[in-house]
Amino acid sequence: AQSVTQLGSHVSVSEGALVLLRCNYSSSVPPYLFWYVQYPNQGLQLLLKYTTGATLVKGINGFEAEFKKSETSFHLTKPSAHMSDAAEYFCAVSDSSYKLIFGSGTRLLVRP
Amino acid sequence: GAVVSQHPSWVICKSGTSVKIECRSLDFQATTMFWYRQFPKQSLMLMATSNEGSKATYEQGVEKDKFLINHASLTLSTLTVTSAHPEDSSFYICSASKQGGTEAFFGQGTRLTVV
Repeated sequence: AQSVTQLGSHVSVSEGALVLLRCNYSSSVPPYLFWYVQYPNQGLQLLLKYTTGATLVKGINGFEAEFKKSETSFHLTKPSAHMSDAAEYFCAVSDSSYKLIFGSGTRLLVRP
Repeated sequence: GAVVSQHPSWVICKSGTSVKIECRSLDFQATTMFWYRQFPKQSLMLMATSNEGSKATYEQGVEKDKFLINHASLTLSTLTVTSAHPEDSSFYICSASKQGGTEAFFGQGTRLTVV
């Protein structure tokens, strides 16, 4: 069975500050890991994904995440927050069947 | 690109009626589509896996007779909420994947309100 834990339902940062959203996973098979962003009343947009290969993954809008197998983590970071980054972020795990198991989500608030 | 379109974006229906939501892959064929449900301020919960030409696979706790799924072609899956009740009000999102790909593409979601 697979599961995802996102620490912190809300994260608040100042504009220009570092963004760090935490994600830990559990998987009995090599996982595929994803970060999605959701704006109000909209679907999900893929930020980045890890399948195989390089453990540091770069995504859109300046986001990146590092797959750390020893820590079963896939934390999302961005060096400098922008007001437009305010949204809900979901970490997800898959076993390559395209069936995604989502974390509970983290709402990112960006203060001016 | 890979575009998944859901229709309608929002719908209001009376209690006891049925509502059909469509999920289309516009520029690729999807042998498998997934339906998720999202309550306000909560995460997405997988409801069922829709397989083209065969019966859907439902997750534990999801009533298959209430949430009818049909995947009649490689580009279309439908979710019908039968005899809807206010507690069925939610945000329903579908996803589809290309064969051989590694990611799922999501529709924009459907906001269902049952009054």
